[in-house]
Amino acid sequence: SQQGEEDPQALSIQEGENATMNCSYKTSINNLQWYRQNSGRGLVHLILIRSNEREKHSGRLRVTLDTSKKSSSLLITASRAADTASYFCATDRDDKIIFGKGTRLHILP
Amino acid sequence: DAGVTQSPTHLIKTRGQQVTLRCSPKSGHDTVSWYQQALGQGPQFIFQYYEEEERQRGNFPDRFSGHQFPNYSSELNVNALLLGDSALYLCASSLSGDMNTEAFFGQGTRLTVV
Repeated sequence: SQQGEEDPQALSIQEGENATMNCSYKTSINNLQWYRQNSGRGLVHLILIRSNEREKHSGRLRVTLDTSKKSSSLLITASRAADTASYFCATDRDDKIIFGKGTRLHILP
Repeated sequence: DAGVTQSPTHLIKTRGQQVTLRCSPKSGHDTVSWYQQALGQGPQFIFQYYEEEERQRGNFPDRFSGHQFPNYSSELNVNALLLGDSALYLCASSLSGDMNTEAFFGQGTRLTVV
C-alpha cells in the first residue's frame, strides 16, 4: 500500500526555473525522505527530514515538513537538464520505508 | 565502498518458472529490504530481512520468498512466475535501530516474464 502521495504526477518546466513537488501521507512518521530515480534505475537518496524538523536544505534542494497537515514539499531551485527524473517521497514507519507514486519532472531546454 | 550491488541487472523468464535475485548490502548495513516497482509506479515493499529472519512483509503472495545470509547479503525468490511479476526489483540496505538513517538502493534487476 502507498503511504505517500505526490502531487503533481508530472511537471514540465523551463531550465532555470524552480520546481516544486508536494507529498501527502496518512499516518505518523519517524522521518520523511525524498529520492530521485533516473530512467527506471536505482533510487538516489536526496534528503531526509526528521519528524521534529520543519525545513531542511541541501544545495539547490529545500524540503519542508508539516506534520500537522501530514505533508511535505521539495523545491528544486535553478533547475538543470540533469534534474529530469522521477522524484519520490518516502515515509519511515516501523523501520519500513513506504513510497508514493512519484512526480515525473521534465526540464525543458 | 561498492554500495548496494544487485545481480543480475536484467533477466527474462517464462511463465511458471522460478527466479532468484541477489543483493549485497552496503558495508556496515545489516538490514535488507526488497521492493517491486512496476512501470510508472512507485516501489512497493515486499519484505525486509534482519538477522537472517523476515522481519516485515508487504502485501505479496507466498510465491515471493527470501533469505538473508550471515554476511547480510540477501536473495529474493519468486516461484510460479506470472506475467504481472515483470518489474524492476530493488534492494535497499540500512542499519537497524537507527530511525533516521537513509536507505541505500541498488540499481535494480529488471525482470521480464514472457
